[in-house]
Amino acid sequence: DIVMTQTPLSSPVTLGQPASISCTSSQSLVHSNGNTYLGWVQQRPGQPPRLLIYQISNRVSGVPDRFSGSGAGTDFTLKISRVEAEDAGFYYCVQGTQFPWTFGQGTKVEIK
Amino acid sequence: EVHLVESGGDLVQPGGSLRLSCVGSGFSFSDSWIQWVRQVPGKGLVFVSHINTEGSATSYADFVEGRFTTSRDNAKNTVYLQMNSLRVEDTAMYYCADIFSDYWGRGTLVTVSS
Repeated sequence: DIVMTQTPLSSPVTLGQPASISCTSSQSLVHSNGNTYLGWVQQRPGQPPRLLIYQISNRVSGVPDRFSGSGAGTDFTLKISRVEAEDAGFYYCVQGTQFPWTFGQGTKVEIK
Repeated sequence: EVHLVESGGDLVQPGGSLRLSCVGSGFSFSDSWIQWVRQVPGKGLVFVSHINTEGSATSYADFVEGRFTTSRDNAKNTVYLQMNSLRVEDTAMYYCADIFSDYWGRGTLVTVSS
């Protein structure tokens, strides 16, 4: 199985400041069709998860443009350009390239 | 509006069985791959299973060890997760989702305890 490793596991951030989360996979996430099925999922307290980013860098409709994804192969990053109060919660990377799909451990973004 | 609604969660004794259901509406359910994802309260998200659009291909996490089976009835817009030989460590909120289409239910709670 592909292991997804996130760092940091906790990220205290001041409102208006940037935040960055890294995700490393144990093997390349490039599918045989050439696509890379790496997504980022947000889970606010008491809420079900929601997808923010798919295929490394594509924002889901309605996701603010302060969220951006980048990376390739085995190394990926989610950036929040200016953290807002509503961004507090957990963030997970998820790979859909190889079954079984796997999630990272999660990163807690908390507002200082 | 897209909806996925899970049901069937309950308190069950170790070794028991449960069948979870996930009903979809507001989108083309028969064109969606559906996954089950679980979350122990206070812990992270864990992939459980996947089923393709026709129900002809499935995938499971290693910890399932042949105890769970996912199936679907597209005529009823429903995916099922049959869980047998339940263990205490299977206690979690179970979400159905089409993860990469951003379709998620609100979850159904499974508690395995004597």
